[in-house]
Amino acid sequence: QKEVEQNSGPLSVPEGAIASLNCTYSDRGSQSFFWYRQYSGKSPELIMSIYSNGDKEDGRFTAQLNKASQYVSLLIRDSQPSDSATYLCAVNSPAGGTSYGKLTFGQGTILTVHP
Amino acid sequence: DTEVTQTPKHLVMGMTNKKSLKCEQHMGHRAMYWYKQKAKKPPELMFVYSYEKLSINESVPSRFSPECPNSSLLNLHLHALQPEDSALYLCASSHVRAPNQPQHFGDGTRLSIL
Repeated sequence: QKEVEQNSGPLSVPEGAIASLNCTYSDRGSQSFFWYRQYSGKSPELIMSIYSNGDKEDGRFTAQLNKASQYVSLLIRDSQPSDSATYLCAVNSPAGGTSYGKLTFGQGTILTVHP
Repeated sequence: DTEVTQTPKHLVMGMTNKKSLKCEQHMGHRAMYWYKQKAKKPPELMFVYSYEKLSINESVPSRFSPECPNSSLLNLHLHALQPEDSALYLCASSHVRAPNQPQHFGDGTRLSIL
């Protein structure tokens, strides 16, 4: 059973702080890693993707990947109230000979940024 | 606005009704997906189509019947659903021969079964 675990949350940070979201995965064959943001009542929105070890920065967001530790994280700098949402970690692993794999989601971490 | 369009946005139906959900994308993706999402849970994969052929069925009950009439369209036909089938139904698409490419989600259809 391929598993993706996220820090349980909910996570509450003050405006302007750094929010740190963590995710571990069980399948060492996993090839690609994504962070989706989901506002209440809306669909998941891709905010970051990362494929190789190290850091990837995009604006206020930084994704970190450590395949040896099977660990992915998302840092949100200068957090804003508009960042308040559920953040889903998703891991893509090869599946049944397909060339596109299967996406497994973590349970999500609810982030609240308070003014 | 998302590049994957789902209709209708909301659907209320009785347990004896037959209805269909529709998904359309024009990103040239040849893999399309149906997910079911219950409140406070992550999306659960239901079906995957690759090059318009069903490639993954995650043991979904037969009251859900997917169809992929062409490379841009994906339907989900619903019949004799149960109250526990009430959920947000999400369509997604991605490139096929590129496992590192992400899936892009539509806005979803919120389904309520009376």
